[in-house]
Amino acid sequence: AQSVAQPEDQVNVAEGNPLTVKCTYSVSGNPYLFWYVQYPNRGLQFLLKYITGDNLVKGSYGFEAEFNKSQTSFHLKKPSALVSDSALYFCAVSPGDYGGSQGNLIFGKGTKLSVKP
Amino acid sequence: AAGVIQSPRHLIKEKRETATLKCYPIPRHDTVYWYQQGPGQDPQFLISFYEKMQSDKGSIPDRFSAQQFSDYHSELNMSSLELGDSALYFCASSLQGWASAGGNEQFFGPGTRLTVL
Repeated sequence: AQSVAQPEDQVNVAEGNPLTVKCTYSVSGNPYLFWYVQYPNRGLQFLLKYITGDNLVKGSYGFEAEFNKSQTSFHLKKPSALVSDSALYFCAVSPGDYGGSQGNLIFGKGTKLSVKP
Repeated sequence: AAGVIQSPRHLIKEKRETATLKCYPIPRHDTVYWYQQGPGQDPQFLISFYEKMQSDKGSIPDRFSAQQFSDYHSELNMSSLELGDSALYFCASSLQGWASAGGNEQFFGPGTRLTVL
């Protein structure tokens, strides 16, 4: 069965420091991997995705993620955190290698990022 | 840019009542997804539609049904509501196409917060 794990419920970072939010996945075939951010009482906003190609993916708001097939990981990173980055971050996987419209997302439990001034 | 529209934003119902949630996808998007997010939980996939046909089914209770109409808007119908149905219901849309198989990002609406008393 496909699954996504986010081992940290919360990550605390000082503003200006680099941040990493971890994600590992378990899926058959080649996965499509996504990061979404959720602010309180808001919908999920797309940050970035990995489909194929370069393992380092750059996304919105200065975020990037590194796909590591051997470690089945897709950690989210940002070189310098901002207080406004404080939110709930979800890693998600869409089982790839299937034709047609299958594209439902399987989410991790989410990691709350808190950036302090 | 146009986003996904959901209505109503908030809904309060009694147990055993019915509820209908509506979703208007981004224009020209061909796929609609419904997700349920319980308090403090990750979003769980319920059901999806591609070109007005049901394309995938997740953990949707038999008491729920959904459809996508000719104008691509979708409705989630929920009957015999239970206390446990209280959650945030998200609709998402994407431009999937037949061959892309889940590789395109989904754009989420703001959600409908359903409270069952």
